[in-house]
Amino acid sequence: QVQLVQSGAEVKKPGASVKVSCKASGYTFTNYGMHWVRQAPGQRLEWMAWINPGNGDTKYAQTFQGRVMITRDTSASTAYMELNSLRSEDTAVYYCARDLAGITPHWGQGAPVTVSS
Amino acid sequence: EIVLTQSPATLSLSPGERATLSCRASQSISVYLAWYQQRPGQAPRLLIYNASNRATGIPARFSGSGSGTDFTLTISSLEPEDFAVYYCQQRHSWPPITFGQGTRLEIK
Repeated sequence: QVQLVQSGAEVKKPGASVKVSCKASGYTFTNYGMHWVRQAPGQRLEWMAWINPGNGDTKYAQTFQGRVMITRDTSASTAYMELNSLRSEDTAVYYCARDLAGITPHWGQGAPVTVSS
Repeated sequence: EIVLTQSPATLSLSPGERATLSCRASQSISVYLAWYQQRPGQAPRLLIYNASNRATGIPARFSGSGSGTDFTLTISSLEPEDFAVYYCQQRHSWPPITFGQGTRLEIK
């Protein structure tokens, strides 16, 4: 069955960077896109970015342009989300979710990131 | 960017009752709307896609309807496990994919 297993919780200082991983199993990694979505405490879900693991194409939300980078390692069936210049407002749970034409039927368990001095 | 507005913000009902949740889009999105359920501490779970199609394994008490700008999620008879937060999501023109602000379904 499809499984997306994310890396663990992180605590970072303002201005630092964080890199979250998402290891996929149960399907051919390069055949499906991967979305990244975050959720700040008590807030709505917020779409951040998407990657086509097959060719590396990416799309980013304008809010995060220049501050986020999505990459993948096809040999490890793993996608990565790196967010730079962290601020307190970036405290959130970060999810990866497998794409099916913009629908996301499969989600990782979430990776909490706390930004605090 | 397409904005999704959900109503009500909170819905208080009892098990066995019928729940009706609404989602309105700022412009037409055809049928490219999905509904997700999120329980505390869990990832979102896809319930409905393309406005009215139930995802794999979703009970028949969940149904979706609508097109254009107005959409509805109906839960015909609430079970205890249905009390959660529900989000709508559009994929008509992405990026970006956008989500509504959520409706909290709570036990009365």
